[in-house]
Amino acid sequence: DAKTTQPPSMDCAEGRAANLPCNHSTISGNEYVYWYRQIHSQGPQYIIHGLKNNETNEMASLIITEDRKSSTLILPHATLRDTAVYYCIVRVRNSGNTPLVFGKGTRLSVIA
Amino acid sequence: GAVVSQHPSWVICKSGTSVKIECRSLDFQATTMFWYRQFPKQSLMLMATSNEGSKATYEQGVEKDKFLINHASLTLSTLTVTSAHPEDSSFYICSARGSLAGSVEQYFGPGTRLTVT
Repeated sequence: DAKTTQPPSMDCAEGRAANLPCNHSTISGNEYVYWYRQIHSQGPQYIIHGLKNNETNEMASLIITEDRKSSTLILPHATLRDTAVYYCIVRVRNSGNTPLVFGKGTRLSVIA
Repeated sequence: GAVVSQHPSWVICKSGTSVKIECRSLDFQATTMFWYRQFPKQSLMLMATSNEGSKATYEQGVEKDKFLINHASLTLSTLTVTSAHPEDSSFYICSARGSLAGSVEQYFGPGTRLTVT
């Protein structure tokens, strides 16, 4: 799976949009971009994933650049409960027994 | 979405004893389960992968005789930490993958915090 690079930490004011970047310059054509988050002392929670088109669900939006070398996760109106570590993971979808491999992620602090 | 549960959510045990952690997929059949552990302020580290009815595959550096994994059914996997020591204190998280209608692929349990005294 391709390697990803994320900033170690970010702050965001409550109510504002949180934009979390991820670089994945070595991504292959059949690899998807997945985002998970981990709130303190909980298991990871799936947020969203995409291949090349922008995606939106009830939690977030995922913007993938045209060359697919980077992406941005957008939480449109961050709340204090969005404080967590956010992981960007690149992998082939439905790749058998291959597990998700977590990097260091970005620690997002939402500030009141 | 699919739900994965773990039991217990936290446990304290004495050094030298064994502890069993259960991981269940509540509303789907998990053909593959993964076990991770996480030390404070660190990321999740994969320990092992198990398929129902087969022996688990352990990551390099993880002792298979110390961390016994059983995946006897499509909804249950157990991790037994044998002869636990204080350095085994960690947050253990299971994850399950199965044939789901959705496309998320891998769901995570809430984790089990183990403290060995």
